[in-house]
Amino acid sequence: AQSVTQLDSQVPVFEEAPVELRCNYSSSVSVYLFWYVQYPNQGLQLLLKYLSGSTLVKGINGFEAEFNKSQTSFHLRKPSVHISDTAEYFCAVSRMDSNYQLIWGAGTKLIIKP
Amino acid sequence: EAQVTQNPRYLITVTGKKLTVTCSQNMNHEYMSWYRQDPGLGLRQIYYSMNVEVTDKGDVPEGYKVSRKEKRNFPLILESPSPNQTSLYFCASQGSINSYEQYFGPGTRLTVT
Repeated sequence: AQSVTQLDSQVPVFEEAPVELRCNYSSSVSVYLFWYVQYPNQGLQLLLKYLSGSTLVKGINGFEAEFNKSQTSFHLRKPSVHISDTAEYFCAVSRMDSNYQLIWGAGTKLIIKP
Repeated sequence: EAQVTQNPRYLITVTGKKLTVTCSQNMNHEYMSWYRQDPGLGLRQIYYSMNVEVTDKGDVPEGYKVSRKEKRNFPLILESPSPNQTSLYFCASQGSINSYEQYFGPGTRLTVT
């Protein structure tokens, strides 16, 4: 079975400061990794995904994430946040043989302080 | 515009009164899914469907029913809602096993009193 842990339920950060949102997973099989973002009062949308190849993946809105197999982590980063990044961010994994079935983390709320 | 729509967006009801939340996608996607979102728990899958007339239970199916008579529609049915089903519900769809992206509806906030 797979599981996903997002270590922080909330991350407050000043505008224009860098941010890292942490995600660790456990799985006995190879997985695909995803970050989704949920803006206030909206559904979720895909931010970025890791399928294979380069361990550093870039997504929309200046976000990037690095897959670290040895540490089973997939942390999300942005060098300079804006007020518009205020949202909840969800890490998810899926088995490679069943990528419809996503296992979700509990989410991290990114709070931008002016 | 490619989208997943849900109706209603907000619903307040009483215990035991049957309700249906509709979900429709216009992208000809094979896979559709229902999730509930509760604070601190992330998203938990209720039911999913791999194609027309093919549905299966997710992690928290108790108290819910679904049907998939047409490819575009995947309604969620609560036959006898209870207060523990108060939650935010999302419908999602995915095009194929190789598309690696789920598209979400805007959510339905359900309150059962």
